[in-house]
Amino acid sequence: DAGVTQSPTHLIKTRGQQVTLRCSPKSGHDTVSWYQQALGQGPQFIFQYYEEEERQRGNFPDRFSGHQFPNYSSELNVNALLLGDSALYLCASSFGGGPTGNTIYFGEGSWLTVV
Amino acid sequence: EDQVTQSPEALRLQEGESSSLNCSYTVSGLRGLFWYRQDPGKGPEFLFTLYSAGEEKEKERLKATLTKKESFLHITAPKPEDSATYLCAVQAGSGGGADGLTFGKGTHLIIQP
Repeated sequence: DAGVTQSPTHLIKTRGQQVTLRCSPKSGHDTVSWYQQALGQGPQFIFQYYEEEERQRGNFPDRFSGHQFPNYSSELNVNALLLGDSALYLCASSFGGGPTGNTIYFGEGSWLTVV
Repeated sequence: EDQVTQSPEALRLQEGESSSLNCSYTVSGLRGLFWYRQDPGKGPEFLFTLYSAGEEKEKERLKATLTKKESFLHITAPKPEDSATYLCAVQAGSGGGADGLTFGKGTHLIIQP
């Protein structure tokens, strides 16, 4: 059973450029969330996608956008990159997101370095 | 605003020396409290979800407990391979959907042989 898969693993971008990160959720999961983790910090919630719509958003600017496809996979796009966007970007998947709690699994992340 | 505070920030133990990690939280309507293990350069690995005060869960040398204000991760007779950063997170929810997680900064645990 494949877990959460993310690509690319590492990438380097120049300030001002745009980047797209990709995520395939765990088999059977339909909800994808994205997190940003700076060195020495806990992950910070960016946004969550369910049924191809952004359902909830954390405290991140509009430069951060996303998309969910019919097969539940997702993309995170970041425009006009800043040096401060350098971080580990984590994708998390879960099922349904209903009233009860979920088991939420994370991928290995994509390391983004902005120079 | 939901908040999670973990203590200590770092902990060094001898192999076999049991201890506990603390996670204090404030949240509007706790839906779940999560514990994860994270190795350097890797994504968080799921350990436990606790849903209500008084609940306990165990996995090998780890035991997680939950009260209305905090959670503890007890590590019994740890081994060097238990060395990692342990993250605590809360999930709030006032409606029908599941909210994103709010994480603490983690406890960096080192187990010396």
